[in-house]
Amino acid sequence: QKEVEQNSGPLSVPEGAIASLNCTYSDRVSQSFFWYRQYSGKSPELIMSIYSNGDKEDGRFTAQLNKASQYVSLLIRDSQPSDSATYLCSVKVVGNQFYFGTGTSLTVIP
Amino acid sequence: DTGVSQNPRHKITKRGQNVTFRCDPISEHNRLYWYRQTLGQGPEFLTYFQNEAQLEKSRLLSDRFSAERPKGSFSTLEIQRTEQGDSAMYLCASSPIWGSGTDTQYFGPGTRLTVL
Repeated sequence: QKEVEQNSGPLSVPEGAIASLNCTYSDRVSQSFFWYRQYSGKSPELIMSIYSNGDKEDGRFTAQLNKASQYVSLLIRDSQPSDSATYLCSVKVVGNQFYFGTGTSLTVIP
Repeated sequence: DTGVSQNPRHKITKRGQNVTFRCDPISEHNRLYWYRQTLGQGPEFLTYFQNEAQLEKSRLLSDRFSAERPKGSFSTLEIQRTEQGDSAMYLCASSPIWGSGTDTQYFGPGTRLTVL
């Protein structure tokens, strides 16, 4: 079983809609969780980090964490065409190693 | 703060040759990570330094791969006797160990390696 699993997509949503991205992880001792955005041919850039159960909001982005279910999600409200990218879920495990999922490709249709 | 830089940005080599990549982290960042990313996959952890000490190394990392960070500043990643399967984007990231955001990794632009 992979440490971090994501639906690869592609996920398509119309402009202005809510995009929902999901991620599950296998390591129960994971403490830190991250969402990165990666445009084609570019390197990942951090969108959100979340450390405790519940929701964390930053602008149009909301990260949700449920440690009991080993589940983390990212909601993008009012999706814009510029949000079209691959979204990577990342988990920090013991020893300062970070595991990444394969990413979910999102397309926002104007 | 000029961000994480990596050189070269692109490298084309023939199978069996050795290649070396360089990463310059953000100046005040003590932690430095190397990742490999292939098409359609997320970054795969290779190794991690705190200052000049190499603290973690992926068990999947072949002994053809070696990394150094001699003075705790820039780092090099060398691949000996390259194979076609080594073709990938090699990403470097850095993070601070003090203050807020110690888990936040800042990625460089990557070095794209093509092995012919």
